[in-house]
Amino acid sequence: GAVVSQHPSRVICKSGTSVKIECRSLDFQATTMFWYRQFPKQSLMLMATSNEGSKATYEQGVEKDKFLINHASLTLSTLTVTSAHPEDSSFYICSARSGDTEAFFGQGTRLTVV
Amino acid sequence: AQSVTQLDSQVPVFEEAPVELRCNYSSSVSVYLFWYVQYPNQGLQLLLKYLSGSTLVKGINGFEAEFNKSQTSFHLRKPSVHISDTAEYFCAVISNAGNMLTFGGGTRLMVKP
Repeated sequence: GAVVSQHPSRVICKSGTSVKIECRSLDFQATTMFWYRQFPKQSLMLMATSNEGSKATYEQGVEKDKFLINHASLTLSTLTVTSAHPEDSSFYICSARSGDTEAFFGQGTRLTVV
Repeated sequence: AQSVTQLDSQVPVFEEAPVELRCNYSSSVSVYLFWYVQYPNQGLQLLLKYLSGSTLVKGINGFEAEFNKSQTSFHLRKPSVHISDTAEYFCAVISNAGNMLTFGGGTRLMVKP
């Protein structure tokens, strides 16, 4: 299957700083990328959907100014958590699709804000 | 709108016993169905999917699932589980005209020796 690489896998940052998470499709062009957040022992909650070259569509309740998503190319999308707070600590997972029905997932990023 | 319900949040089972993880969905249109597995601190790995055709779908690691349209179910089964199957399992659907996966709440499979 196709490979989606997410980096970093773990990051610890100080409260008030910003953190960037990258999601790359390594062997296919991802027309659409999705960002999910997963709380402990819970399912994945969709944060936003991004299409290459256009603004991301955020789900209700997700602060677009706090979670900045950029999908600058067909192989790269980034999620920047701005002015991070401890409550932003979570597991973030990206997913990419090439127009087919199947979505491929990154390995996830464990963000801890101290 | 579509939704997915996984009835069991946790399923404890002994090694080599059979297991069934339940998944029911609701949708006003036709859907495609998926089962994903998540190991600790990792992303999701596709186990199997139903797009069309035979309602019994075989996936990786000995898992299979059966699509039942009348009962709107897509239960996951394995005849004999291993310790290494301990993980979180997610059922997901996407409409055949849609773009977004909708996930169930997940079921934690705990295989005991």
